[in-house]
Amino acid sequence: DVQLLESGGGLVQPGGSLRLSCAASGFTFSSYAMSWVRQAPGKGLEWVSSISTSGVTYYPDSVKGRFTISRDNAKNTVYLQMDSLGTEDTAVYYCSNYVTTTFYFDCWGQGTLVTVSS
Amino acid sequence: DIQMTQSPSSLSASVGDRVTITCRASQSIRNSLSWYQQKAGKAPRLLIYGASSLQSGVPSRFSGSGSGTDFTLTISSLRPEDFATFYCQYNGTFGQGTKVEVK
Repeated sequence: DVQLLESGGGLVQPGGSLRLSCAASGFTFSSYAMSWVRQAPGKGLEWVSSISTSGVTYYPDSVKGRFTISRDNAKNTVYLQMDSLGTEDTAVYYCSNYVTTTFYFDCWGQGTLVTVSS
Repeated sequence: DIQMTQSPSSLSASVGDRVTITCRASQSIRNSLSWYQQKAGKAPRLLIYGASSLQSGVPSRFSGSGSGTDFTLTISSLRPEDFATFYCQYNGTFGQGTKVEVK
């Protein structure tokens, strides 16, 4: 079975940094693009970043220049480095494997909560 | 950027009802539309991809249709476990969600 396990969430002050990890198992990690999607409390889903199998990265304008996605195929893990955090970044962060041929998020982790507050 | 607009934002229904949710893209996305179900406190779950392909393990009462700009998710006969919020998605853009509540 596919498993995605996020970790690294927590409470951070505005302007601070945090690194999230997502450990994958049950599928050929190196063959899939990976993504992060977040959900602020009581709000909808927002795509945050993606990384292709070859390491090309993509971001929406809301996080570009502040967030960095990376992957380690040897460890079957994808990371999200988040810098210059603001209160608007408070959310549950989910990782997902992403199917690029038909543009969908296949399996999802359980999420990790990031709270930005002083 | 392509915008995805869902309607309605919420609906009330009873067990056994046929439920239809629509999603409109601001320009043609061919059939690259997916649907997700999210229950309170849980991660989203893929239901439909490619506008009409049922994800493995998803009950056949769920179906998707449409192409171009207009898409539909249909639940043929609502079951108690189906009350949730549903999202459409194209690429990096999600619809705003449709909450299906008990009538």
